[in-house]
Amino acid sequence: SQTIHQWPATLVQPVGSPLSLECTVEGTSNPNLYWYRQAAGRGLQLLFYSVGIGQISSEVPQNLSASRPQDRQFILSSKKLLLSDSGFYLCAWSVPWGSNYGYTFGSGTRLTVV
Amino acid sequence: LAKTTQPISMDSYEGQEVNITCSHNNIATNDYITWYQQFPSQGPRFIIQGYKTKVTNEVASLFIPADRKSSTLSLPRVSLSDTAVYYCLVGESTGGSYIPTFGRGTSLIVHP
Repeated sequence: SQTIHQWPATLVQPVGSPLSLECTVEGTSNPNLYWYRQAAGRGLQLLFYSVGIGQISSEVPQNLSASRPQDRQFILSSKKLLLSDSGFYLCAWSVPWGSNYGYTFGSGTRLTVV
Repeated sequence: LAKTTQPISMDSYEGQEVNITCSHNNIATNDYITWYQQFPSQGPRFIIQGYKTKVTNEVASLFIPADRKSSTLSLPRVSLSDTAVYYCLVGESTGGSYIPTFGRGTSLIVHP
C-alpha cells in the first residue's frame, strides 16, 4: 500500500534561519507531489507541485522553494525564514492521471518562526 | 479554472443530518468532485468522491445534480467527532496533469 511520510512534525526556527522539510512517498511510482501551507484559521494554499523529477511549478511567489531530487522525494526549502512563513505545511501525493483519484496528505509540519 | 464556493461555517447538534453544499460553476467535463475532512493539526483525509448523481459510502452521501455545477455532502446523524473542516475539491487540468484547488472549506461544529 502507498504511504506518505513527512517530517519533522513540529519545528521552531528563528527569523533568518534556513528551512528544509522533507516528504517521501512509498508504494507508488511517478506520483504528482504537492506542498500546501495552512495559516492559522485559514484554508489550504497550494505552494508547489511537481509532476516529475526536477519539474517544479510554483503557485505563489514567496520566500520558499521546492525541489524533487528523486521520484518519490519532495523537499521544501527556504534560505532565510520570515515570520510570515509560520504555518502548517502539508505534503500530498496523487496519481498523475485524472482527478478521479484522491489526494493523500501527510501528517503535516507545524512551523513556528520566532 | 474550476473554483469552489462553500459556506464558511455551520453549526449542528448531535444526531442531526448535516448537508454542506459546494458550488463549482466552471467544473470541467473530466473533473470529479471530492470531499475531504480535516481535524486540527492533521492533514485532510478523503471522505467521498463522485462524478454525477448520488454516491454513498459508510461515512457520507454525495449528491450531484445533472448540471454538476454544485454538490452536496450529506453527513447522517452527526456526532461530536464530526466537528472538523470539510473541503470540496474539483480537479484542474493543466498541461495534462490535474492540480487540486481547495476552497476555504466549511468549519462544522457539532454541539452536544
